[in-house]
Amino acid sequence: QVHLVQSGAEVRKPGSSVKVSCKASGGTFSSYTINWVRQAPGQGFEWMGGIIPILGTPKYTQNFQGRLTITTDESTSTAYMDLNSLRSEDTAIYYCAVSATYYGKFDFWGQGTLVTVSS
Amino acid sequence: AIQLTQSPSSLSASVGDRVTITCRASQGVSTALAWYQQKPGKVPKILIYDASTLESGVPSRFSGSGFGTEFTLSISSLQPEDFATYFCQQFHSIPPLTFGQGTRLE
Repeated sequence: QVHLVQSGAEVRKPGSSVKVSCKASGGTFSSYTINWVRQAPGQGFEWMGGIIPILGTPKYTQNFQGRLTITTDESTSTAYMDLNSLRSEDTAIYYCAVSATYYGKFDFWGQGTLVTVSS
Repeated sequence: AIQLTQSPSSLSASVGDRVTITCRASQGVSTALAWYQQKPGKVPKILIYDASTLESGVPSRFSGSGFGTEFTLSISSLQPEDFATYFCQQFHSIPPLTFGQGTRLE
């Protein structure tokens, strides 16, 4: 069983950046796929990208190329999602979710982090 | 990117009904498809993976089927706790993983 705890809600101005953390406990952090997805108000889910800590190289969806950086710190079993050049459309709940298999189904989810982008 | 289209987008049903939700993929995904349930303000819960495998602990009234481009999630006898939003996810072709837009069961 993997337990994921995300950092708290954030409010940012347009053009700024935000960094959300996701700390894992239980399981083998290094070998899991850590995914980041977001859900805008009243909308479905959008996969942003993912990383397997032991491999190191993240995968991103094209929509976020250049704005998104996903990293991990294996010493603390923590993953990070850094999104810059924020705009109002980035207002959403951001989730980390773990796949026990290579970019497979999401077995465990963090509690979500609300990011509000407003001037 | 593979697009997933769910139908219907919303569904009105009653306790005891059998309901079926469809998820169509724009390209074949083999059986690399999962179904999730999400209740308001809650984190999604996985129900079905690999198109038809029931996740441990999920009631047997939930079932999934399909291959390639057409998939279904069925609930054999709706219970009060089943009123939620359901969405499908493909993990055959990445990046990106993609999701259906959701079906609200009310």
